[in-house]
Amino acid sequence: AQTVTQSQPEMSVQEAETVTLSCTYDTSESNYYLFWYKQPPSRQMILVIRQEAYKQQNATENRFSVNFQKAAKSFSLKISDSQLGDTAMYFCAFMTANDMRFGAGTRLTVKP
Amino acid sequence: GAGVSQSPSNKVTEKGKDVELRCDPISGHTALYWYRQSLGQGLEFLIYFQGNSAPDKSGLPSDRFSAERTGGSVSTLTIQRTQQEDSAVYLCASSLDRGFDGYTFGSGTRLTVV
Repeated sequence: AQTVTQSQPEMSVQEAETVTLSCTYDTSESNYYLFWYKQPPSRQMILVIRQEAYKQQNATENRFSVNFQKAAKSFSLKISDSQLGDTAMYFCAFMTANDMRFGAGTRLTVKP
Repeated sequence: GAGVSQSPSNKVTEKGKDVELRCDPISGHTALYWYRQSLGQGLEFLIYFQGNSAPDKSGLPSDRFSAERTGGSVSTLTIQRTQQEDSAVYLCASSLDRGFDGYTFGSGTRLTVV
């Protein structure tokens, strides 16, 4: 079975600084997809960034980028120039076929 | 519709009553997913539909839980004889085909069993 581990239950960062959220996963699959979702207080999960396992290049979306280490089964999210609106729960997710599994989440607080 | 719509947004029910939660996916999305999120926890997979069929029901926690999808569109998650441990946010998501581009989530239904 696939498992996803987020070892940081809570993190905080000063506005405009950079923060990195950690995620590791365990799988025997060779082809899979990885995602980071953001969940603000509105409860709606919002897709932040997506990575295909067969691509070596790290995905980037504006201020959000990932460090994908396939051999180490690590998929961390870096948020640059943190903004107050980035305050939310962040979930790492792993997917094969139609099976998407989530980590327990990291609560990120951006401080003014 | 433009997004995934869930109703009701909030539901308070008495222990032992049955509840129905509704999910209206994005038009054209063939796959639909239900997850449960307990307070401060991650997402627990419940069930997945491809069209009207549910190939994977492995996550349903007990036989009190059931779900159906009709017309390849709207889905209903039913919880019979609710218990306090059923209190959670129930999230629905939909995707094109197999969802490799990611899922689109609704805002969830917060269920409180008193």
